[in-house]
Amino acid sequence: DIQMTQSPSSLSASVGDRVTITCRASQNIDIYLNWYQQRPGRAPKLLIYAASSLPSGVPSRFSGSGSGTDFTLTVSSLQPEDFATYYCQQSYITPYTFGQGTRLEIK
Amino acid sequence: QVQLVESGGGVVQPGRSLRLSCVASGFTFSGHAIHWVRQAPGKGLEWVALISSTGSNKYYAAPVKGRFTISRDNSQNTLYLQMNSLREDDTAMYYCARVGWFGPRKFFDSWGQGTLVTVSS
Repeated sequence: DIQMTQSPSSLSASVGDRVTITCRASQNIDIYLNWYQQRPGRAPKLLIYAASSLPSGVPSRFSGSGSGTDFTLTVSSLQPEDFATYYCQQSYITPYTFGQGTRLEIK
Repeated sequence: QVQLVESGGGVVQPGRSLRLSCVASGFTFSGHAIHWVRQAPGKGLEWVALISSTGSNKYYAAPVKGRFTISRDNSQNTLYLQMNSLREDDTAMYYCARVGWFGPRKFFDSWGQGTLVTVSS
């Protein structure tokens, strides 16, 4: 199975900050990498697909980059609603494994 | 709009069975593969199983293979997860998720609200 490793596991930041979360795959996954946001008590929501594409309705302050094994999710200016947990996921091959999550908390 | 609604969760004793359902609406159900994903309390997301759009292909995570069966009824727009020989570590919120695609790249573009399964004696 492909292992997905996110860092950091948790992060404290303030409204308006720029933050970056990284995700590393245990083997080359091209750009078969997705990011999800999960707010407490809610289902996950698709944030980024194919490493850098934003679904309709996702604010442009979110961006993704990377290919191969190393990927990043960046939030350019944190808003109060962005404090949540973020997961990367590879869809290169089943099982479609997730990273362990990064919890973004208010400083 | 796209909607997925899970049901069937509850409290069950170890070794017993449970069947989850996921009813879809707002899109052509038979045109999409669907996955089950679970999340143990306070833990991360764990992929469980997938079924192709026609139901002809199915894949399972190692911890559930041989105990869980995924199926679908495209005439009823419904996905199922039959869970047998349940264990305490199967305790989790279970989500169904629709597959979207961009060329060959796939992602989960819609999720249900989840149904909670608690395995406890």
